[in-house]
Amino acid sequence: DGGITQSPKYLFRKEGQNVTLSCEQNLNHDAMYWYRQDPGQGLRLIYYSQIVNDFQKGDIAEGYSVSREKKESFPLTVTSAQKNPTAFYLCASNPQGLSNYGYTFGSGTRLTVV
Amino acid sequence: QKEVEQDPGPLSVPEGAIVSLNCTYSNSAFQYFMWYRQYSRKGPELLMYTYSSGNKEDGRFTAQVDKSSKYISLFIRDSQPSDSATYLCAASWYGGSQGNLIFGKGTKLSVKP
Repeated sequence: DGGITQSPKYLFRKEGQNVTLSCEQNLNHDAMYWYRQDPGQGLRLIYYSQIVNDFQKGDIAEGYSVSREKKESFPLTVTSAQKNPTAFYLCASNPQGLSNYGYTFGSGTRLTVV
Repeated sequence: QKEVEQDPGPLSVPEGAIVSLNCTYSNSAFQYFMWYRQYSRKGPELLMYTYSSGNKEDGRFTAQVDKSSKYISLFIRDSQPSDSATYLCAASWYGGSQGNLIFGKGTKLSVKP
């Protein structure tokens, strides 16, 4: 079945540590997105990519980095510069980067700072 | 431009009730409207998709868009405990500049047996 796989499901980060969240899709979608979800704040866009080797900052990109070396993969690195990283992270994809098609989401990664 | 407003709830109803979930938006260029359902600790899944004004029905679910008042609604008939989830509305204009959907913050629904 086609879909988006996020791993790991739960991730724990120590202070000052970088961690990478994995997002893989087999939908042959061009565009991929990373969102952060906090209680009461809805979905906030971190980064998005419309094509391989190109990506743009979203509304809250500070403290995060991404790469898009393959169409299927869009990993997110949460760096030590992100002061409040505890949140639920969602990866999404879209067929042609046209939002009127809607998004397919992964099942999320829960990141906790310990 | 980036305005889709949604009452966060929580909303609690008894099993079998009719549920009405609502959003308002400010950008008159929006033409595509969606409802996503998100179960706890899961990713959102597309539930209903509507283009422009009018109603769309799928089983117990009806999505309604009134572009004149910039109002989006989702009705759930004969609600079930399995409908307990957070419901997010979303809107887009054609093409969607930079490919971004605009989401509401979500309404948490609880259906009690």
